[in-house]
Amino acid sequence: EIVMTQSPVTLSVSPGERATLSCRASQSVRTYLAWYQQKPGQAPRLLIHGASTRATGIPARFSGSGSGTEFTLTISSLQSEDFAVYSCQQYNDWPLTFGGGTRVEIK
Amino acid sequence: EVHLLESGGGLVQPGGSLRLSCAASGFTFGSCAMSWVRQAPGKGLEWVSIISASGGSTTDADSVKGRFYISRDNSKNTLDLLMDDLRADDTAVYYCAKAVHLYIGASGYTYFDYWGQGTLVTVSS
Repeated sequence: EIVMTQSPVTLSVSPGERATLSCRASQSVRTYLAWYQQKPGQAPRLLIHGASTRATGIPARFSGSGSGTEFTLTISSLQSEDFAVYSCQQYNDWPLTFGGGTRVEIK
Repeated sequence: EVHLLESGGGLVQPGGSLRLSCAASGFTFGSCAMSWVRQAPGKGLEWVSIISASGGSTTDADSVKGRFYISRDNSKNTLDLLMDDLRADDTAVYYCAKAVHLYIGASGYTYFDYWGQGTLVTVSS
């Protein structure tokens, strides 16, 4: 199965700053990659699919890039509601697999 | 507005069984593949099982194959997961998720555009 590795595990960022999160696949997933946001007690929320396409209603400060094995989620200017856990998922091959998540916390 | 509400979680002994349900609303349920995804305490998300829109096709993760059974009732807009022979490592929050299933050539590609809030399953004696 394709192993997804996210880094860093925790990212400390001040409000208004840029956050850059990484996701690496153990083999190429082309651009079949999605990003999700999770807050405690809430349903996960789809942010990005196709590596770079924002889901419906997702603010423009969220952007995704990459292809093959290296992917990045960038939050251009962190808002208070963006402090959460972010996970990537590959859907190039079965079984579908997720990364372990990056927690974005307030610095 | 899409809404997915899971129920049925709880404490169960190793070797026991549990049935989870997911009530869906706000979209054409019978036109969408649906899935279960779980998250063990302190761990990442793990895909568990998926069922086609009609219910005629299912795929399971190797970790649950032969023990978990996904099903759906399109007349009631409900998705179920019957879990048998439960083990301690099945302890997790179980999420119901609406799948976006892309058909490109002969292949299918799936991600999840809506999720429920989850139901906790604890397997312990």
